[in-house]
Amino acid sequence: VEMTQSPATLSVSPGQRATLSCRASQSVSSNLAWYQQRPGQTPRLLIYGASNRATGIPARFTGSGSGTEFTLTISSLQSEDFAVYYCQQYNYWPRTFGQGTKVEI
Amino acid sequence: EVQLVESGGGLVQPGGSLRLSCAASGFTFNNHWMSWVRQAPGRGLEWVANINQDGSGTYFVDSVKGRFTISRDNVQNSVYLQMDSLRGEDTAVYYCARDQHYYESGNYYYYFDVWGQGALVTVSS
Repeated sequence: VEMTQSPATLSVSPGQRATLSCRASQSVSSNLAWYQQRPGQTPRLLIYGASNRATGIPARFTGSGSGTEFTLTISSLQSEDFAVYYCQQYNYWPRTFGQGTKVEI
Repeated sequence: EVQLVESGGGLVQPGGSLRLSCAASGFTFNNHWMSWVRQAPGRGLEWVANINQDGSGTYFVDSVKGRFTISRDNVQNSVYLQMDSLRGEDTAVYYCARDQHYYESGNYYYYFDVWGQGALVTVSS
């Protein structure tokens, strides 16, 4: 299953809202996760099951969608949120990632 | 604290072999599938392999089938990735990741909820 993220790069000011999109080439139901990777760091789970925040993830991160269209919304960007975000489907094997969206200042 | 620590990365010539290790702590290791995920320089993430709780089931991405093997030691709380016949395109940071799962509509679904810091593998002459 091919995962396509848009845009490739998103330029946002601190305090603004960011909306990231992820599209699957076929329905993955709600079996979708979002990960954050800060520069030079390891990926971190943000969202699983399309809309469930992982432990310790702030409420400003919201996941939505099902089937083939998904969205990650960051309601008010903080400095630590500037990173690359990956979506990943786990409805089918092999589990596949999108190419990432870089959120920059 | 839940922690995964990889080791064993390095520089290897094309056609060579390397073994990565991942030491787990802070959780009940034999309750979880474990995976390896890689990231080529400047690129995105690619799942490589995973292994079930008792080691009886292993799965690989097509590009490494027949060259990589995955194993685990539930006494040492460790998972391993043996990489043979290495190619330039295997150059990447290799992350060990814990699989978390849930059961829904008759199936289990697995995502990665904990990641190690990564081990760099460079395949070059």
